[in-house]
Amino acid sequence: AQTVTQSQPEMSVQEAETVTLSCTYDTSESDYYLFWYKQPPSRQMILVIRQEAYKQQNATENRFSVNFQKAAKSFSLKISDSQLGDAAMYFCAYRGTLFGGSQGNLIFGKGTKLSVKP
Amino acid sequence: DAGVIQSPRHEVTEMGQEVTLRCKPISGHDYLFWYRQTMMRGLELLIYFNNNVPIDDSGMPEDRFSAKMPNASFSTLKIQPSEPRDSAVYFCASSLLPTGEGYTFGSGTRLTVV
Repeated sequence: AQTVTQSQPEMSVQEAETVTLSCTYDTSESDYYLFWYKQPPSRQMILVIRQEAYKQQNATENRFSVNFQKAAKSFSLKISDSQLGDAAMYFCAYRGTLFGGSQGNLIFGKGTKLSVKP
Repeated sequence: DAGVIQSPRHEVTEMGQEVTLRCKPISGHDYLFWYRQTMMRGLELLIYFNNNVPIDDSGMPEDRFSAKMPNASFSTLKIQPSEPRDSAVYFCASSLLPTGEGYTFGSGTRLTVV
């Protein structure tokens, strides 16, 4: 079964600085998708960024970028120029393809709570 | 698009009572998921539907939990009878698969069973 591990329960960053959140996963599938979700205190789950495993190029969305290392099964999120509004829980998630074993289920890590200091 | 709509936002009920959570997915999405979030277990998939048909309900904890999707625009998750350990945030999400897009989540229902 696929698993997702986030080893940092909490992280802190100074406003305007850069922070990297770690995520590792375990799978026997060769094709899959990876995601980072943000959950602010409002509890809404917001998609931050996504990566397709067959693409070697790391995804980027404005101040958010990932470092995807397929062989190492690592998928870290980098937040540049951190803002107070970035304070939230961040969840790493994995989904296989419909033709793989996970049948479309989105599997989440336990999350990392990010604090941003002014 | 109004996104995935869940109701109620908060629910407080007494142990033993029936609870019904509701979800309206995004129009055109043919997959619907119910997740439960607790501090201890994180986000867990309870059940998901494809074209209104339940595909995988292995995450449903007990027979006290049931879910239905009578049409493409509505789903319910029912707990009968409710217990204090059912207290959690319940999320509904919808998606178009097999695209690589992530799921769109509703704002969740916080259930408290006293």
